[in-house]
Order: sequence, then structure tokens, then C-alpha cells
Amino acid sequence: EAGVAQSPRYKIIEKRQSVAFWCNPISGHATLYWYQQILGQGPKLLIQFQNNGVVDDSQLPKDRFSAERLKGVDSTLKIQPAKLEDSAVYLCASSWTWGLGSGNTIYFGEGSWLTVV
Amino acid sequence: DQQVKQNSPSLSVQEGRISILNCDYTNSMFDYFLWYKKYPAEGPTFLISISSIKDKNEDGRFTVFLNKSAKHLSLHIVPSQPGDSAVYFCAASEETSGSRLTFGEGTQLTVNP
Repeated sequence: EAGVAQSPRYKIIEKRQSVAFWCNPISGHATLYWYQQILGQGPKLLIQFQNNGVVDDSQLPKDRFSAERLKGVDSTLKIQPAKLEDSAVYLCASSWTWGLGSGNTIYFGEGSWLTVV
Repeated sequence: DQQVKQNSPSLSVQEGRISILNCDYTNSMFDYFLWYKKYPAEGPTFLISISSIKDKNEDGRFTVFLNKSAKHLSLHIVPSQPGDSAVYFCAASEETSGSRLTFGEGTQLTVNP
């Protein structure tokens, strides 16, 4: 079974530029997540989709971050304009459905490493 | 407000011995807990989980213990192997938030041959 795919793996941009990350979840997984992991910290949820609808975006900085999952499969996370503090690993994850337990587990991709200079 | 804390940034143990990783939480609404393992340049990998209705869950060399009154959980690895060297994250979730995970800062485990 293929895992969660992300691209690009690494990106370096200047502040005030824009960047986009792409994610393809595990086949059949209805729930998709974007997490931000700053160096030395644990991952923090940015946004959660159930199919193509947003379930939770309470921690997404909406003035500069946006995400979409138009057809309920792939997703794109965009940052515009980027700030120095956005330097982090952006992790995409997926699960069969919303809610944990009963065999439902969250699987993470390898992450997209962003450096803003 | 750090709701999940792993107070030990690092832990070093000898191969064959027990590794004990600890995690504390403050939110009494958390009802599901997970441990993830992370190798450098890779995403976190699910290891083991426990529901708040249990106090122990075992899977091979890995056992997670939950003490709800103390708001504390621990991961025991017995016996420890060099391949277990990684960063271990504790995470928690509450039913009302669906599957939003709140992570701790992580503990770097090093198992020496």
C-alpha cells in the first residue's frame, strides 16, 4: 500500500515570496491533515479536511495560509507571503475517517521542508 | 499553553535494557493517546495507542501505560534495540475534536550497542 506522498521535499524561498505544497493521501482515506512542525517542537495541526470539506482550521493563520482539497483526494497548502517564522516541516497526513480508535490511525508523509530566508 | 509535555528531551540506554519514555498532559478531556516514532528526514510513524478506558496496552516489545489520575502516560520498550534510536512523540486527542492530535515536544532516544 502506497503511503502519503508529498512534494516538494525541500524548498528555500525569500521572505514575502509564496510557496505551495502538494499532498496525495493514502488511497481511500477520507480525512486529510496538514501539520506544521517547527524545529525542536512537536507537530501542530493547521487544517483538517473530511473529504473536500474543512473540519478544523482553527490554528491556520488565515491571513497568509490557505489550503484546499477540491476533489476530496489531493490537497494543496499555500503560504503567501512567507515570513521567516514559517520555516518548518509541513507534514501531510491521512486517515480512513474522522475520529480515532477502532482501528482508525493517522499516517504521515515524509514532510516538505521549508526554509524562508 | 502546552497541553502535552515530554519533559525529557533525550534518553540514552544500553541495548537489551528497558527504555521508559514519559509524557504528561493537562487537558482532562483527552481520551485517546498515541505514540509516534520519527527518524531523521522522515514523517512520524504510528507506534502504539491507548484509550482512556484502559490503563495498559501492549504490542510486542512496546507497552503503553496510562495513569488518568496523574494525567501521565509512559512508553516502555523491552528489550531496547539500536534500531529503536529515534525521536518519540506523545500525542493526545479528545473525542469532541475528532482526530486532532496535540503533540508533545518529543524525546530523542539513543540505544547504544
